[in-house]
Amino acid sequence: KNQVEQSPQSLIILEGKNCTLQCNYTVSPFSNLRWYKQDTGRGPVSLTIMTFSENTKSNGRYTATLDADTKQSSLHITASQLSDSASYICVVSGLSGGYQKVTFGIGTKLQVIP
Amino acid sequence: EPEVTQTPSHQVTQMGQEVILRCVPISNHLYFYWYRQILGQKVEFLVSFYNNEISEKSEIFDDQFSVERPDGSNFTLKIRSTKLEDSAMYFCASSERLAGGIDTQYFGPGTRLTVL
Repeated sequence: KNQVEQSPQSLIILEGKNCTLQCNYTVSPFSNLRWYKQDTGRGPVSLTIMTFSENTKSNGRYTATLDADTKQSSLHITASQLSDSASYICVVSGLSGGYQKVTFGIGTKLQVIP
Repeated sequence: EPEVTQTPSHQVTQMGQEVILRCVPISNHLYFYWYRQILGQKVEFLVSFYNNEISEKSEIFDDQFSVERPDGSNFTLKIRSTKLEDSAMYFCASSERLAGGIDTQYFGPGTRLTVL
């Protein structure tokens, strides 16, 4: 069964500090992995998309890594800001027969405090 | 910046009633999606739609659900006979192209459906 596991479940960090969120998946066949930021009560916003051949992708202070061999990804946030407080969701897609199988993780709830 | 819009923002209905959730995708996008998120749980894929037909659907998307693009701008999700467990936030998303699945999907703000 396709699964996406994220850790930690929640995290509190001081403003200005860095943090790393983890994602492990068992989705197969693998097509791409996305990280989303979701503010409470809002729709997810795309941060990064990586395919099998990419092992790192940056978007401002967000850097995602992917190890397709071990089926692991991480999202590193540099110099955190209060506005980074949100849930960060790992989403893994597989292509099978021309169709997408999309599996969402439960998310890591990040709280940045002054 | 273009964005996906959804109406209503909150819908309250009685169990057994039909509801239609509306979405206006970004105008030049060709692929449309519905997702749902039960409170406190992860987002779940419901259905994808392209070229006026369903391209994929999940196990959740049973006969009670249907989607339609009634005109050139709206994309709707209909639930024929709502159940208590249909209470959730429903997100619409759109993307310009599938391109091997790596195209960015833009999500709307969601419609919160409450079934009483």
